[in-house]
Amino acid sequence: DAGVTQSPTHLIKTRGQQVTLRCSPISGHKSVSWYQQVLGQGPQFIFQYYEKEERGRGNFPDRFSARQFPNYSSELNVNALLLGDSALYLCASSLGEGRQIYSYEQYFGPGTRLTVT
Amino acid sequence: DQQVKQNSPSLSVQEGRISILNCDYTNSMFDYFLWYKKYPAEGPTFLISISSIKDKNEDGRFTVFLNKSAKHLSLHIVPSQPGDSAVYFCAAYRSTGNQFYFGTGTSLTVIP
Repeated sequence: DAGVTQSPTHLIKTRGQQVTLRCSPISGHKSVSWYQQVLGQGPQFIFQYYEKEERGRGNFPDRFSARQFPNYSSELNVNALLLGDSALYLCASSLGEGRQIYSYEQYFGPGTRLTVT
Repeated sequence: DQQVKQNSPSLSVQEGRISILNCDYTNSMFDYFLWYKKYPAEGPTFLISISSIKDKNEDGRFTVFLNKSAKHLSLHIVPSQPGDSAVYFCAAYRSTGNQFYFGTGTSLTVIP
């Protein structure tokens, strides 16, 4: 079984540009979450989507947005990139969300390394 | 606002001995706590979880203990193996609002 996949693996952008990152969850998983991991820190929660709806949001500015498609894949968009957005962006999938069983057990992809220059 | 804290950035243990990784949290509303292991260039891998209503959960060599009064949890690995060398993240989940919080990680080195 394929795990969580993310694309691209690496990305270099310039300040002010926009970026789109993509994620495909494990087959059968309906929930996708996005995290930002800065070097030396733990992952910081950005969003959770379930059945195409946003179900959780971390403390990130409105420059960050996401969506989930009918096939449960997801995109994370970041507008007006800042140098501080340079990080590893992780996608995680889970069976459900909220109080559904095992919704909290998330399985992570390898991440997309974004560098903003 | 770091709601989940791992105060030990690194830990070294001899092969065969016990590894104990610690985690503290500040929010009493968390529903589940989880441990993840991360190898370089890979995403975190789910290891073990514990509900806030339990005080112990065991899975093979891995046992997680939860002390709610102290807002503290720990991961015990017995016996430690060289393949356990990785960064371990403690995480907490609050179902209200679907919020996840991760600690900063502890790098475990198991010495053969």
